Amino acid sequence: EADIYQTPRYLVIGTGKKITLECSQTMGHDKMYWYQQDPGMELHLIHYSYGVNSTEKGDLSSESTVSRIRTEHFPLTLESARPSHTSQYLCASSESGGVYEQYFGPGTRLTVT
Amino acid sequence: AQTVTQSQPEMSVQEAETVTLSCTYDTSENNYYLFWYKQPPSRQMILVIRQEAYKQQNATENRFSVNFQKAAKSFSLKISDSQLGDTAMYFCAFMRYNQGGKLIFGQGTELSVKP
Repeated sequence: EADIYQTPRYLVIGTGKKITLECSQTMGHDKMYWYQQDPGMELHLIHYSYGVNSTEKGDLSSESTVSRIRTEHFPLTLESARPSHTSQYLCASSESGGVYEQYFGPGTRLTVT
Repeated sequence: AQTVTQSQPEMSVQEAETVTLSCTYDTSENNYYLFWYKQPPSRQMILVIRQEAYKQQNATENRFSVNFQKAAKSFSLKISDSQLGDTAMYFCAFMRYNQGGKLIFGQGTELSVKP
């Protein structure tokens, strides 16, 4: 399996809490991505980064924010969680240049009560 | 905008048999890439196979092959000699050329391989 990690794997949290989903990769990839996936549904890109200090919003609007201070680390933050944020969040990374395979993490399943 | 459609929400196949998963897409681009990803239950998503639109030859990877019909905007995945470990959600995905790796996914097909 790919060297990309996400923590926590499962999170149940109350409305209004601030949460940070962690994503780390040890492959030295410049490009990193966050996808949101509802159960049994397709993935939607919500954030991506082409390198340190580079972040962009994806195709699906999201209230979350991301940062990229280190190459290997791409955390996602929700300042005030709501039930509508309940979903699975998948992190991925890939090499730069050309078309390279995206390696996915195991995902964080978030439930906001 | 590009869209990807997988019209088969669920499929099942007997072990050792062949199954074909369908995918169609809509784009006005001429250069792009197509992918099939596999998401096993409770496991990480992995790339199964990739096709460059400028290549006429269909991609193959061991038991996995594609039927790429550019004019029809069709990209089906054939799995030969199905194995129990092929049970998973399969996603078709599209990437525009020079789009920096941004993937657009279909809705997925849940494949069950039965012994």
